[in-house]
Amino acid sequence: QQQVKQSPQSLIVQKGGIPIINCAYENTAFDYFPWYQQFPGKGPALLIAIRPDVSEKKEGRFTISFNKSAKQFSLHIMDSQPGDSATYFCAASKQGSGYSTLTFGKGTMLLVSP
Amino acid sequence: DVKVTQSSRYLVKRTGEKVFLECVQDMDHENMFWYRQDPGLGLRLIYFSYDVKMKEKGDIPEGYSVSREKKERFSLILESASTNQTSMYLCASSPFQAAGNTIYFGEGSWLTVV
Repeated sequence: QQQVKQSPQSLIVQKGGIPIINCAYENTAFDYFPWYQQFPGKGPALLIAIRPDVSEKKEGRFTISFNKSAKQFSLHIMDSQPGDSATYFCAASKQGSGYSTLTFGKGTMLLVSP
Repeated sequence: DVKVTQSSRYLVKRTGEKVFLECVQDMDHENMFWYRQDPGLGLRLIYFSYDVKMKEKGDIPEGYSVSREKKERFSLILESASTNQTSMYLCASSPFQAAGNTIYFGEGSWLTVV
């Protein structure tokens, strides 16, 4: 079963627009929600992350909004730039005994046109 | 600087061959992971290890095995490669009891099985 559902699969916005990527999860044991950014030919890199006791987190032009009751979270990119064109993955993490594992959404390919 | 190195970036193997994918991290991390990335499917966890000689199955372990003889090195083994294992493979590492934000990825190994 898919534990983290991500939408849309792809997104095209103009420079300066505000792309929004949405994710929903099912497992209430998840306790950490990161977003990863991946450029072509590279591995994913952490972009921003949030814990469920916070409803919003902002880092630069990137904002996560979190709705615990709805089990949803989203990524907003303010004043998007062509350099933001990448694949974005949401993920959810749960702690094991000494480790945590990430469950990823299927990814969103974002294209920001000049 | 954090470094997860996957020694083989591009491989072409024949069906039935035994394939080794090597990963080394220089951060003294306890946890190491192997993910598989396919278009439209996101990243799926194959195996992970939280200590030397320890391993745990992820979501899609069938057809794979792993080896962790040293803390810094985690190998993914395809015992008998099949065409449906053509994919990009991502190695990652994280420190002990880390939340999701400290999982670091390598740049990936592209495997084609013909």
